[in-house]
Amino acid sequence: AQSVTQLGSHVSVSEGALVLLRCNYSSSVPPYLFWYVQYPNQGLQLLLKYTTGATLVKGINGFEAEFKKSETSFHLTKPSAHMSDAAEYFCAVLSNAGNMLTFGGGTRLMVKP
Amino acid sequence: GAGVSQSPSNKVTEKGKDVELRCDPISGHTALYWYRQSLGQGLEFLIYFQGNSAPDKSGLPSDRFSAERTGGSVSTLTIQRTQQEDSAVYLCASSQPLDFSTDTQYFGPGTRLTVL
Repeated sequence: AQSVTQLGSHVSVSEGALVLLRCNYSSSVPPYLFWYVQYPNQGLQLLLKYTTGATLVKGINGFEAEFKKSETSFHLTKPSAHMSDAAEYFCAVLSNAGNMLTFGGGTRLMVKP
Repeated sequence: GAGVSQSPSNKVTEKGKDVELRCDPISGHTALYWYRQSLGQGLEFLIYFQGNSAPDKSGLPSDRFSAERTGGSVSTLTIQRTQQEDSAVYLCASSQPLDFSTDTQYFGPGTRLTVL
């Protein structure tokens, strides 16, 4: 079975600082990995995804993530945090059958002025 | 076009009552998914519809939960004899898989269900 672990349920950074949200996965086959963001009282919005090819994936709002097979990781980064980045972030892996996402527990990002 | 829409946005019900939650997927998307988001359990898969195939119901937590998808478009999630532990946000997503391994799921805003 696949699983996703997000280290740190809460992360706090200062505005302008580097954002690093950690995601590790477990999968018996090459994974397809996603990062979603959820703003308060809203649904999930796709930030970026990794399927095949280039291991460094760029997404919306200046975010990027790097797939590292040897570390079974897919950490999300952004060089400079904005106040508007405050939200909850979810890492997910697509099932082998392609019919469901398995999500990590989520990381709430707080950005201090 | 429009994104995934869900109704109602909020639903408060009494324990033991039945509720129906509706999802309108993005036009043309053949795949539709229901997930549940709760404080204790995080985001959990419930059920998946793809075209005319039999749905994957493997995530439904009990036989009180059922879902249907009429005409390959709108879906209704029904919870019978609601319990307090059913309180959660129910999220619907749809996708148009080019192939199953690369489809992106687009999520609706969710229905917040509160069972008193």
